[in-house]
Amino acid sequence: DTAVSQTPKYLVTQMGNDKSIKCEQNLGHDTMYWYKQDSKKFLKIMFSYNNKELIINETVPNRFSPKSPDKAHLNLHINSLELGDSAVYFCASSQDRGGVFTDTQYFGPGTRLTVL
Amino acid sequence: GQNIDQPTEMTATEGAIVQINCTYQTSGFNGLFWYQQHAGEAPTFLSYNVLDGLEEKGRFSSFLSRSKGYSYLLLKELQMKDSASYLCAVIDSNYQLIWGAGTKLIIKP
Repeated sequence: DTAVSQTPKYLVTQMGNDKSIKCEQNLGHDTMYWYKQDSKKFLKIMFSYNNKELIINETVPNRFSPKSPDKAHLNLHINSLELGDSAVYFCASSQDRGGVFTDTQYFGPGTRLTVL
Repeated sequence: GQNIDQPTEMTATEGAIVQINCTYQTSGFNGLFWYQQHAGEAPTFLSYNVLDGLEEKGRFSSFLSRSKGYSYLLLKELQMKDSASYLCAVIDSNYQLIWGAGTKLIIKP
């Protein structure tokens, strides 16, 4: 059974388009995250949600909008895609509560986004 | 500012031992993680240290010195499948997770 799943695994799209990446975890965790990993492999947190509530919102363009319909899902919608958005996006979850990081994070397989 | 330093890349021989260092300057400390990431895959948990000393888990061990702001990951009996990036991440005093850029480990036969 997949603990943290993301779809799609690959996403190729044109500049200016709007796209979504879905994430689901079946671990019963309270907190979910979105990370961006760029070409230099640096993992940078974008958002964190705890029980559907936004906890962390790093300096990310407002073209990126996370949506958490329930605590098992955290989707990422991106408007007006730009070339610089090309990266691998990882979803993760942990048992952490309220933005307090102490527990192991479990990562999804990643979504490789390529903007042409 | 908060900073985590790791070597960018290291090379080792199959069967040997390698030590990957991580030094950190953060606002406080509440724990340190090591994750392994194979190319094109997600990071996976390796170890967690919150107290000084060595934690051993099979071929992998992780060491922490809080007074020195220093940790290392020790990999023994290296196998080709150990070729991956190794990410150090520190929990600061606000319980935020600060990630290092990772060390790419190349294993040669």
